Amino acid sequence: AQKVTQAQTEISVVEKEDVTLDCVYETRDTTYYLFWYKQPPSGELVFLIRRNSFDEQNEISGRYSWNFQKSTSSFNFTITASQVVDSAVYFCALSDSPDTGFQKLVFGTGTRLLVSP
Amino acid sequence: ETGVTQTPRHLVMGMTNKKSLKCEQHLGHNAMYWYKQSAKKPLELMFVYSLEERVENNSVPSRFSPECPNSSHLFLHLHTLQPEDSALYLCASSQEVFSGNTIYFGEGSWLTVV
Repeated sequence: AQKVTQAQTEISVVEKEDVTLDCVYETRDTTYYLFWYKQPPSGELVFLIRRNSFDEQNEISGRYSWNFQKSTSSFNFTITASQVVDSAVYFCALSDSPDTGFQKLVFGTGTRLLVSP
Repeated sequence: ETGVTQTPRHLVMGMTNKKSLKCEQHLGHNAMYWYKQSAKKPLELMFVYSLEERVENNSVPSRFSPECPNSSHLFLHLHTLQPEDSALYLCASSQEVFSGNTIYFGEGSWLTVV
């Protein structure tokens, strides 16, 4: 069965610090997709990145970077030089190939990031 | 402007009331979803629609009734709810329902049942 674990419930950092959010997943499929979403206090889930299981290349987008390692079933997210606006709850999610034919996005429980000035 | 808009953003209703949540997507997608986010539970998938046809009802109680009149609009009709139904209800859409399609979410409707 699918499962996503975000062991860090809450992380507090001071502005300009680097911070890494951990995500560990479980799936029996060889084809699957991993996502990260950001949820600010307003409630909207903002899409950050999608990665498929065949592409292990790490990705960088501005201050954001993602480290995908199939060997450890992890898809970690690093924010470099954090800013107050990065304060939010971050969710990791997994979509594989269910028998139903439509995807069920399985979410982790989220990591709350607090960045103080 | 977000691609998925939800109204109302906040709703307080009594247990005997009937109300509806509305969702509209401006992305030209064929699939739409309702998710529920409670304080102490992970995000839960409630319903999935593909081209206006419901393809999933994830064991949701009948007091929640979805409606998808076209591929751009999705409603969630609420009646005789319980206080434990208080949650953030998120609407979402994707190009198709198949695995790997990125799901885009709206801002959510905060529901309080009193």
